[in-house]
Amino acid sequence: RKEVEQDPGPFNVPEGATVAFNCTYSNSASQSFFWYRQDCRKEPKLLMSVYSSGNEDGRFTAQLNRASQYISLLIRDSKLSDSATYLCVGQDSNYQLIWGAGTKLIIKP
Amino acid sequence: EAQVTQNPRYLITVTGKKLTVTCSQNMNHEYMSWYRQDPGLGLRQIYYSMNVEVTDKGDVPEGYKVSRKEKRNFPLILESPSPNQTSLYFCASSPRGFESIQYFGAGTRLSVL
Repeated sequence: RKEVEQDPGPFNVPEGATVAFNCTYSNSASQSFFWYRQDCRKEPKLLMSVYSSGNEDGRFTAQLNRASQYISLLIRDSKLSDSATYLCVGQDSNYQLIWGAGTKLIIKP
Repeated sequence: EAQVTQNPRYLITVTGKKLTVTCSQNMNHEYMSWYRQDPGLGLRQIYYSMNVEVTDKGDVPEGYKVSRKEKRNFPLILESPSPNQTSLYFCASSPRGFESIQYFGAGTRLSVL
């Protein structure tokens, strides 16, 4: 089993819709989780850290569910500019970061 | 401007010809690392460095070398590149180690023929 798994998508979503995707992780001792955004052929950039209590930044909400070992990302009122690949990051048993392969999101007008 | 700078951005080479990809950061970060990204796979760590003169293997270190003689620089060396090292490479730095936010360079797209 991969340590961090994501649905690769693509998710095709109309502009203005709400979209959510999950990421499962296998290391129950993981302490740090992140969502990064990666535009085509460019470097990943931090979108949000994921805290135990969840966190919100504008239209974006990240949640952590330790019981089921997944993190989620919710995007409300999606914009065309939200089209990107979203990378989920957890930790392995040595606490090194482990990256998911990414979920591709396409926002259509 | 705070940044991580990689060079070159694109490189086409032939099997066996040694090459170096440079990485430099101006944020005084102690932690630096190299990743490769291949289609359908997540970023995989090649090597990382917790500080000057301290380097460790990541998940896929075979065929690569690194050095950390200065805090700001962390070059990636391919002594004898092979076609399976064709990939997109990213250098990253972090202020507090592997568990915190990573700042990435723009990437180096390498093709080994």
